[in-house]
Amino acid sequence: QVHLVESGGGVVQPGGSLRLSCEASGFTFSNFGFHWVRQAPGKGLEWVSYIQYDGKNKFYADSVRGRFTVSRDSSKNTVYLQMDSLRAEETAMYYCAREKLPYDAFDVWGQGTMVSVSS
Amino acid sequence: EIVLTQSPGTLSLSPGERATLSCRASQTVSRSYLAWYQQKPGQAPRLLIYGTASRATGIPARFSGSGSGTDFTLTISSLEPEDFAVYYCQQYGSSSLTFGGGTKVEI
Repeated sequence: QVHLVESGGGVVQPGGSLRLSCEASGFTFSNFGFHWVRQAPGKGLEWVSYIQYDGKNKFYADSVRGRFTVSRDSSKNTVYLQMDSLRAEETAMYYCAREKLPYDAFDVWGQGTMVSVSS
Repeated sequence: EIVLTQSPGTLSLSPGERATLSCRASQTVSRSYLAWYQQKPGQAPRLLIYGTASRATGIPARFSGSGSGTDFTLTISSLEPEDFAVYYCQQYGSSSLTFGGGTKVEI
């Protein structure tokens, strides 16, 4: 079965850092690009970042560019999101999602990992 | 950045009724790269429609998408009890992807 499992969420102080992981299973990891999407409590979806299947192209939302870094490790079938200089308003559920085809919609989603930025 | 505006914010309907959800873009969505997702409380979103009108795997035929340019529509022909949820449109035609604010379909 196709699965994405996020981990690494938790409570962090403003200005702190956190690294999220997204482990994939049930499909050929190296064939797919991945996105990170977040959702603040009671709010809508916000796209955060994308990494292409081969890691060569990476895109970021304006709100996180320069502070967040997306990467991938094919030996571990895992995508990462390094988040630095976190802000209180970035408290949210962070989802990992797989693109259906290159630059396509998101056909597989993880269950999410919660990040709380609070002093 | 393309801004997507969904309307109405909330749609109050009964099972068996037809639901029509709107998504308007601030500029033309490239190559009709417009998707719809369904999200239920406590769950991750689920892909319903991609490429404006193509149903994702396993999605019932009562869900259909249409539109072009800046105006897109998701139609649920006859609401089932499990369809009451929040629906989001998304454009993925640019390197800065965006979602609409969502439409809640409630009983």
